[in-house]
Amino acid sequence: QKEVEQNSGPLSVPEGAIASLNCTYSDRVSQSFFWYRQYSGKSPELIMSIYSNGDKEDGRFTAQLNKASQYVSLLIRDSQPSDSATYLCAVNMPAGNNRKLIWGLGTSLAVNP
Amino acid sequence: DGGITQSPKYLFRKEGQNVTLSCEQNLNHDAMYWYRQDPGQGLRLIYYSQIVNDFQKGDIAEGYSVSREKKESFPLTVTSAQKNPTAFYLCASISDRGKRNEQFFGPGTRLTVL
Repeated sequence: QKEVEQNSGPLSVPEGAIASLNCTYSDRVSQSFFWYRQYSGKSPELIMSIYSNGDKEDGRFTAQLNKASQYVSLLIRDSQPSDSATYLCAVNMPAGNNRKLIWGLGTSLAVNP
Repeated sequence: DGGITQSPKYLFRKEGQNVTLSCEQNLNHDAMYWYRQDPGQGLRLIYYSQIVNDFQKGDIAEGYSVSREKKESFPLTVTSAQKNPTAFYLCASISDRGKRNEQFFGPGTRLTVL
């Protein structure tokens, strides 16, 4: 059973629309949740981190965390073609002093002009 | 400028050769990580180190070795025992702000076995 799951996509949205990316995780004691953006051929770039239930906004990005339902989502408002990338969800599932992240396989987003 | 550097960017290896990938950070981060990424697949953890002179195996450590003699450096050796080494290799380190565990990545090394 996968510990962090994402829809692989591709998710296709028109320019200016809201893109909604979802991620579910299996371990209820998870404490830290991250969204990374990865352009083709490049390394992942941290775009959002969230640690408590609710919404966290940063510019056009909003992360939403619901620990009871064990999901975290990323909304991208006013999507631009430059947002076209793979979005990786990562979760820290602490075990002792373990600082590893568990990664989803990523959702591919295409924003069409 | 603070950051994580990896070298080389591209590396070609003949079968049977060992190669070493460099990872250096000047962020004063304690924990460092090596991942492998194959096309269409997620990040798979090879090794990680939380302090100098200590490291742990990740999920796919076979055929790889690491050292952590300095806080700034965490080189990865891909040995001839690694059966399918062609992949994109990513080094990361963790911000030490509390327990937030935000990982930051270097630019990666693309290894191709000829």
